[in-house]
Amino acid sequence: EVQLVESGGGLVQPGGSLRLSCAASGFSFSSYWMSWVRQAPGRGLEWVANIKQDGSEKYYVDSLKGRFTISRDNAENSVYLQMNSLRGEDTAIYYCARVRQRLKKIGVVPAALEYWGQGILVTVSS
Amino acid sequence: DIQMTQSPSSLSASVGDRVTITCQASQDISNYLNWYQQKPGKAPKLLIYDASYLETGVPPRFSGSGSGTDFTLTISSLLPEDIATYYCQQYDDVPVHTFGGGTKVEIK
Repeated sequence: EVQLVESGGGLVQPGGSLRLSCAASGFSFSSYWMSWVRQAPGRGLEWVANIKQDGSEKYYVDSLKGRFTISRDNAENSVYLQMNSLRGEDTAIYYCARVRQRLKKIGVVPAALEYWGQGILVTVSS
Repeated sequence: DIQMTQSPSSLSASVGDRVTITCQASQDISNYLNWYQQKPGKAPKLLIYDASYLETGVPPRFSGSGSGTDFTLTISSLLPEDIATYYCQQYDDVPVHTFGGGTKVEIK
């Protein structure tokens, strides 16, 4: 059974940092792209970042570039999100997700977010 | 950047009704479009991938259609357990994934 369990959330002051972790089990972790998606209270879903199977490619939503860093440890079956210079608008539930690939003309690409963790709440407030 | 616009933002329908949700892309995305269901307090769940393919285990009352810029998610006969917010998501502009704003479905 595929399981994704996020941890590391909580209350942090504006300007602070937090590192989220997502522990994966039940599948060959190193074979999949992974993503982080967030959802502010009462708002819709916002894709945050993707990381390729071997960590060689990382992509971010433009608005977060430079503050957030995605990484992974295939030996630990885990993906991480380092969040720096946090702001009130970063308050959200953060989900990690396993990504299904699809073959397009340009090659194999990350496509559908097929499994999701339960999410972890990050609150940025003084 | 590709923008995804869903309509309506919310709807109220009776049990047994046919429900249709639309998603419009700001440019041609072929069939690189997925639909997700998010029940209150839960993580999203993949419903339909590549515009029209039902994810394993999803009831056949759900269907998706469309290509290019205009897409539709249909619930053929609404059940109480379908109360949720539904999101479309494009992956034509990979590796960026853009979600629509969501459509909240309620029972009348």
